[in-house]
Amino acid sequence: SQTIHQWPATLVQPVGSPLSLECTVEGTSNPNLYWYRQAAGRGLQLLFYSVGIGQISSEVPQNLSASRPQDRQFILSSKKLLLSDSGFYLCAWSVRRNTEAFFGQGTRLTVV
Amino acid sequence: QQQVKQSPQSLIVQKGGISIINCAYENTAFDYFPWYQQFPGKGPALLIAIRPDVSEKKEGRFTISFNKSAKQFSLHIMDSQPGDSATYFCAADYQGGKLIFGQGTELSVKP
Repeated sequence: SQTIHQWPATLVQPVGSPLSLECTVEGTSNPNLYWYRQAAGRGLQLLFYSVGIGQISSEVPQNLSASRPQDRQFILSSKKLLLSDSGFYLCAWSVRRNTEAFFGQGTRLTVV
Repeated sequence: QQQVKQSPQSLIVQKGGISIINCAYENTAFDYFPWYQQFPGKGPALLIAIRPDVSEKKEGRFTISFNKSAKQFSLHIMDSQPGDSATYFCAADYQGGKLIFGQGTELSVKP
């Protein structure tokens, strides 16, 4: 069966520090991978998506970047965090378009 | 054109009642419309989904109604239960698998 792992679950980082959130998927090959951010009381904002290794599409200009060094690994990074980067970050995968997206448990990031 | 507008923002329903959440979109390129359920501190999970060639889809107590001409779709939860209390998101698939989400509806079912 397929599973998605996302870590850490919670993270408190000072302003200006770097960020690295990792997501891995097991049990499937060549998945579509996504990073979403959910601000408190708001919907999910698509940040990045990837249809293959090294292929990253950015949806919103921001202080973040994403990389896909391996088929089932998706990394969200920042060189210098801002207060506005606080939120709930969710990684997701799908087999292809128009199919169910499976979400990880999320990372609660607080920038202080 | 990439937005999905969802209402209401919050909803309180008595146990056994019907919960109705509405969504509207502009982009006619959307061709897959899922609903996700999210419990606090967890990632969303697919509840039910519909494609625009179908006007209604029912799975248990959950029904999606889809009006292609009006570019609207809605989720109906029949016989709402306290365990249904969660945040519900509508979404639309755009350009090869990019899911665009509505703002969410926080549903509270009172016993």
